[in-house]
Parts: sequence; structure tokens; C-alpha cells
Amino acid sequence: GQSLEQPSEVTAVEGAIVQINCTYQTSGFYGLSWYQQHDGGAPTFLSYNALDGLEETGRFSSFLSRSDSYGYLLLQELQMKDSASYFCAVPPGNTGKLIFGQGTTLQVKP
Amino acid sequence: EAQVTQNPRYLITVTGKKLTVTCSQNMNHEYMSWYRQDPGLGLRQIYYSMNVEVTDKGDVPEGYKVSRKEKRNFPLILESPSPNQTSLYFCASSPQVGATEAFFGQGTRLTVV
Repeated sequence: GQSLEQPSEVTAVEGAIVQINCTYQTSGFYGLSWYQQHDGGAPTFLSYNALDGLEETGRFSSFLSRSDSYGYLLLQELQMKDSASYFCAVPPGNTGKLIFGQGTTLQVKP
Repeated sequence: EAQVTQNPRYLITVTGKKLTVTCSQNMNHEYMSWYRQDPGLGLRQIYYSMNVEVTDKGDVPEGYKVSRKEKRNFPLILESPSPNQTSLYFCASSPQVGATEAFFGQGTRLTVV
């Protein structure tokens, strides 16, 4: 089967750095994506890692270790607007399916 | 503007009354899919389509139907809705199978009483 696991909740203060982990178990791996979803809104794409290492996009970075079946999303200089749910996902690849983790709710406090 | 459009945004219906949620994308994407989102369960794929006239079941297809007669449209049909189909539904599209980014519609909040 295929599954992704991530923590259900994370709390941090404004200006801090937070890391959201994702471990996966999939048959056939093509890469790991991250999505952000504000309460009641549509998920929006943040990043994608196909190869090992760190990908940086502004305040957000994403890391992948294929040998460990592990990745994380790193959010720096946290702002109140970063309070949202964050999902890791395995893109369709050749299976035609997209599998999401259950999501991590990030609460940023003043 | 490139977008995925779902309608309606909110719907309250009664058990057994057939309904259709429409989804349309204007990006000429080949791949489209439907998800439902429930508290504690995350996003689960209902059906997907790799191209016109090609559809397949996702992880939770029971009670749903889809069709892909045109590239841009991918309606979700509930022939006989039941209360356990009360959920938040999202349509999404990607350029092709294997694309790294999916574009989501704004969601349809369905309540079946």
C-alpha cells in the first residue's frame, strides 16, 4: 500500500523556524510535493522534490531523502499568515493516483 | 486567468436526490481528479481522469460517478447521495500524469440530510 505520515499539529511563534516532517511508504516513487491550505480554502502548491536535497523558495524550503523515505518542509521567519494546514503528497507518477498525507495544522502565535 | 472552477460552492440536499457538481479548467490540462476532505482523514482521491474518455477509480469511489466527455470538464455525480457523503469536495487538474503540481478548485461544501 501507499501511505504518508505527518504530525497532526505544530505550534510556533512569529519569527521562528518550524519543520514539518513527512515519512512515506509507496510502491514506485517519483517525488514529494507540499501543499498549503488555509482554513476552508483550496490547497495550493508549494514545492516539489524529485531528488535528494534541499529546495529553497523564499522563506519556504523542502528537503527529501529517498534512502530514508523522508522529507520535510521548513518554514522560516514565520508570519501569522502562515497559520494553515500543510500536506505532503506523492504525485501521480504512473499510477494515476495522488496520495496526500493527513495534513499538519500549523498555528503561529504572536 | 488560469483556474479550476467548481459549482456550486455550497449545497444542501436530501438523501437520495441525484446531484452533479461541475468542474471546469481552462488550462488545457490532461489530468483531472476529484477529492473529498474530511476532518482527520485529509484529502482522499475519489476518481481521476488521465484524458478524455479515460477515467479510473481513486481510493474512495463508492457512491460516485464521473465522466470526461470534454477535456475541460469533469463533473462529479452522486446518483443517490447519503449523509456519509457530507464533505468538502475539491476538483483538481494537472498538465499530464506525472506533473508535479496540481491546481485545485475552490471547493464545494456538500451537506446531505
